[in-house]
Amino acid sequence: AQSVTQPDIHITVSEGASLELRCNYSYGATPYLFWYVQSPGQGLQLLLKYFSGDTLVQGIKGFEAEFKRSQSSFNLRKPSVHWSDAAEYFCAVGAVGAGNMLTFGGGTRLMVKP
Amino acid sequence: GAGVSQTPSNKVTEKGKYVELRCDPISGHTALYWYRQSLGQGPEFLIYFQGTGAADDSGLPNDRFFAVRPEGSVSTLKIQRTERGDSAVYLCASSSRAHTGELFFGEGSRLTVL
Repeated sequence: AQSVTQPDIHITVSEGASLELRCNYSYGATPYLFWYVQSPGQGLQLLLKYFSGDTLVQGIKGFEAEFKRSQSSFNLRKPSVHWSDAAEYFCAVGAVGAGNMLTFGGGTRLMVKP
Repeated sequence: GAGVSQTPSNKVTEKGKYVELRCDPISGHTALYWYRQSLGQGPEFLIYFQGTGAADDSGLPNDRFFAVRPEGSVSTLKIQRTERGDSAVYLCASSSRAHTGELFFGEGSRLTVL
């Protein structure tokens, strides 16, 4: 069975600082990998996804993530954080051919200091 | 509206009561998913519909939970004999073949069982 671990429950960064959110997955084959963001009062929104090809993927709002098969990781990064990035971030893994069903990690809550 | 709509947004009920939660997906999306998100955790898969049929209901926790999608559009999640442990945010998402791997989520229905 697939699983996702997000080791950091809470992270606080200063506005303008760089950000890296960690994600490790367990899956027996080539995974589909996703990052979603959940802001208060809003539904989950897709930031970016990896299916195949270039292991560095670009997403919306200036986010990027790098797939590292050897480390079973898919860490999310942003070079300069804005106050509006404060939210909860979820990493998810999908099974190829499984109809878009996703397994989510526990989430990382990001706080941004002014 | 253009997005996934869920009603009610909040539901408070007493232990033992019956509850229905409704999801109206994005028009034209053939796939529909129900997830449950408990406090401080990531979304947990419940059931997935492709059209009118439940393609995978392996995430339903027990036989008190079931869901229907009779006309391949709106879906209802039904919970019988509610328990305090059922308290959570129930998320609905939809997707289409044109958006492989991307789920479009509603804002959720928060269920509180007293």
